[in-house]
Amino acid sequence: QKEVEQDPGPLSVPEGAIVSLNCTYSNSAFQYFMWYRQYSRKGPELLMYTYSSGNKEDGRFTAQVDKSSKYISLFIRDSQPSDSATYLCAMNAGGYQKVTFGTGTKLQVIP
Amino acid sequence: DAGITQSPRHKVTETGTPVTLRCHQTENHRYMYWYRQDPGHGLRLIHYSYGVKDTDKGEVSDGYSVSRSKTEDFLLTLESATSSQTSVYFCAIRQEGSTDTQYFGPGTRLTVL
Repeated sequence: QKEVEQDPGPLSVPEGAIVSLNCTYSNSAFQYFMWYRQYSRKGPELLMYTYSSGNKEDGRFTAQVDKSSKYISLFIRDSQPSDSATYLCAMNAGGYQKVTFGTGTKLQVIP
Repeated sequence: DAGITQSPRHKVTETGTPVTLRCHQTENHRYMYWYRQDPGHGLRLIHYSYGVKDTDKGEVSDGYSVSRSKTEDFLLTLESATSSQTSVYFCAIRQEGSTDTQYFGPGTRLTVL
């Protein structure tokens, strides 16, 4: 079993929809949670960073962490075609611990 | 973009040949990483460096070596390339500070025939 599980999709939604992307994990030591966005043939770019449990909002994006369930989510409101990309969750225990990545969910927003 | 460049961006080589990939950063970051990305496996750490001449293995280091003789350059070498090393290779840096997160370069697409 992988430490981090992420549905690969693809997930296809109409423009303007609310998108929910999720990851589950098994390592209770994880405290730092990240979401990366990766466009086709590009490097991953950091989208959201969250420490411990709770919500964090940045524009149309909201990251949510539920440590009791070992479950993290990324919500995208008013999705746009430019949001079409692969979204990777990532997490670690902090400090200089290695980062563990999910395999990514491919999202397509249809105009 | 954290000032990271990778070269070459694309390479096709033959089994058994040596290959070196270069990662260059301009912002004096201490930590640098090499990952490979493959379908179904996500990003996997090959090697990392925490300073000049200081390197350590990641989870998939077999068949790879690294060197860091200058802060700005981190080299990944495939001593004798195999078809299983066909992949996209990403370099990353750690931006130490309040968020302590990793930022990635644009990637090198390597095909071993």
